[in-house]
This record gives sequence, C-alpha cells and structure tokens, in this order.
Amino acid sequence: ETGVTQSPTHLIKTRGQQVTLRCSSQSGHNTVSWYQQALGQGPQFIFQYYREEENGRGNFPPRFSGLQFPNYSSELNVNALELDDSALYLCASSPRTGNYGYTFGSGTRLTVV
Amino acid sequence: DAKTTQPNSMESNEEEPVHLPCNHSTISGTDYIHWYRQLPSQGPEYVIHGLTSNVNNRMASLAIAEDRKSSTLILHRATLRDAAVYYCILRPNDYKLSFGAGTTVTVRA
Repeated sequence: ETGVTQSPTHLIKTRGQQVTLRCSSQSGHNTVSWYQQALGQGPQFIFQYYREEENGRGNFPPRFSGLQFPNYSSELNVNALELDDSALYLCASSPRTGNYGYTFGSGTRLTVV
Repeated sequence: DAKTTQPNSMESNEEEPVHLPCNHSTISGTDYIHWYRQLPSQGPEYVIHGLTSNVNNRMASLAIAEDRKSSTLILHRATLRDAAVYYCILRPNDYKLSFGAGTTVTVRA
C-alpha cells in the first residue's frame, strides 16, 4: 500500500494570497481529514470529508475550504492568507468513518510572509 | 472535548520498557482511547486504540484501568526509533482527533 502523499512539501506565500494543498489518500481509504499544526503544538482538526461531502468541521473560518474527489483524493484551499496560517498542514485518511486509526501524510509546510 | 493529562516528557534507556501514563478522569462511556506518535519532521503515526479491554499489537500494548479514568501505553523494548511525541486522545464515535501537547519520549543509547 502506498500511504498518504501530500504536495507540495514546502510552500511560501504572501499575505492575502490563496493556496491549494493536495492529498492522495491511502489505497482503499474513503475518508480524508485535514489538520493544522503550528510549531511546537499538537495538530488541530480542520475538517473531514467522506464520500465527497464534508461531514465534520473544527473551529476554522470559512476561508478554509476543501474538496474530495471521486478517487478520494482531496484538496485544502485557504483564501486571504494571514501570517498566522503559517503551519504544517497534515492530511489523514481512514478506511471509513467511525473509530479507526488514521494514516497521516508527512504534511505541507506553509510559510506566509 | 474530553481532556487528557500526560507528563510533558519521559526518558528511557534503549531496550528497556517504557510506560506512558495518561489520565482522563472525564471520559464518557462512548469515548475510545487512541494513541498516536509523531517522529521529528513527520506526520502523526497511529499506534493503538481501545475502549475497555487491554489491547496489544505489533507496536505496543494499551492497558486501560477498570474505571477507564486512566490508561498506559507500553512500549515493550524501546529503540532509538521510538523517540517521538506520544499523544493520548479521547475520541467519541465521530470524526475528529483532538490532540493535546503529548509526551516527548527520549531514548538513551
């Protein structure tokens, strides 16, 4: 099995710009979640997608949005970037909703200047 | 979200067992106990999870107190590759993992 892959690995953007991060879920996994991890802190849940629909969201503003595609890959879009959006963005996939372990990717390091 | 309390850090010697405690006195009956670890420069890695009974897998064992207000993750023989931040997470039967600060484990050669 291939695991979760994320692209790009690193990205630098200017405040006010928009960014799209991509995630390919592990083979056979139809549930994808996104997390934001600031330096020195634990990951914070952004939202989850199951069968192309958002089925859970954390405490993040609407400028954080996402998509899941029929092949279960996913995108995270962030509009109007702010300096505080600088973080490691992690994608995680699971074979289904419910209490199962998630497989995480290595993340995209976003720096907003 | 139900909270967990973990020590900030723990040290161990290589090839010795490591017992990582986690207190979760406000756990509800539907909360599963999950453990993840995060090695430097990597995403979190699933370790183990359980509800009431003790659980074993190839990575670790999870011992759950009878009243479920605490649990212990046991690494049977620590290696240098086990140096990581370990997160104890309570997860209701829903979608999200709520990470705290975790325990930083250092393994001495």
